[in-house]
Amino acid sequence: EAQVTQNPRYLITVTGKKLTVTCSQNMNHEYMSWYRQDPGLGLRQIYYSMNVEVTDKGDVPEGYKVSRKEKRNFPLILESPSPNQTSLYFCASRFLREGANVLTFGAGSRLTVL
Amino acid sequence: RKEVEQDPGPFNVPEGATVAFNCTYSNSASQSFFWYRQDCRKEPKLLMSVYSSGNEDGRFTAQLNRASQYISLLIRDSKLSDSATYLCVVRGETSYDKVIFGPGTSLSVIP
Repeated sequence: EAQVTQNPRYLITVTGKKLTVTCSQNMNHEYMSWYRQDPGLGLRQIYYSMNVEVTDKGDVPEGYKVSRKEKRNFPLILESPSPNQTSLYFCASRFLREGANVLTFGAGSRLTVL
Repeated sequence: RKEVEQDPGPFNVPEGATVAFNCTYSNSASQSFFWYRQDCRKEPKLLMSVYSSGNEDGRFTAQLNRASQYISLLIRDSKLSDSATYLCVVRGETSYDKVIFGPGTSLSVIP
């Protein structure tokens, strides 16, 4: 089944404890992206990647890092989490060619930073 | 002006009603348009793409007006299961451009 898989789905952590949220897609999509969703603020893009070893900042990149060493994986790294990073996170991917660029989302990762 | 704006909602409608959502976008060079549906605390899922000539999928009809930079979604014969947040999504001129999500409009269909 074509899908985007995120882990963990739920996580409670404490300020300053490094964590990684993994994202993997099995559709051979070139483009991958991370979003956070907060009440009243909608979906905001954190980082995106057009292909392997190509990453760029989105609208709210502060406090996050990403890497794209393989086409299928795009982990989101919080080096020193803070309470304002408590949010619902979504990974998404799509093709870059015209006519096939619908975004497919993972199920989401709910992160709480105490 | 925000890049993609939607009706603020929430919309509370009885079962069987027809409801319309509106969306405007600011980038006149935008080329791809979508409606996504998001259930509470779940991931957004594609409802339908929006084509220039308008398109229909069962009870759902999407329209695009490029001159007015306006997109609409019409839901006929609303079902309880239609209760969700509907996101208007716009992509720029090329497939390499950013995809912009509107803030969403909440719909509750009431028995």
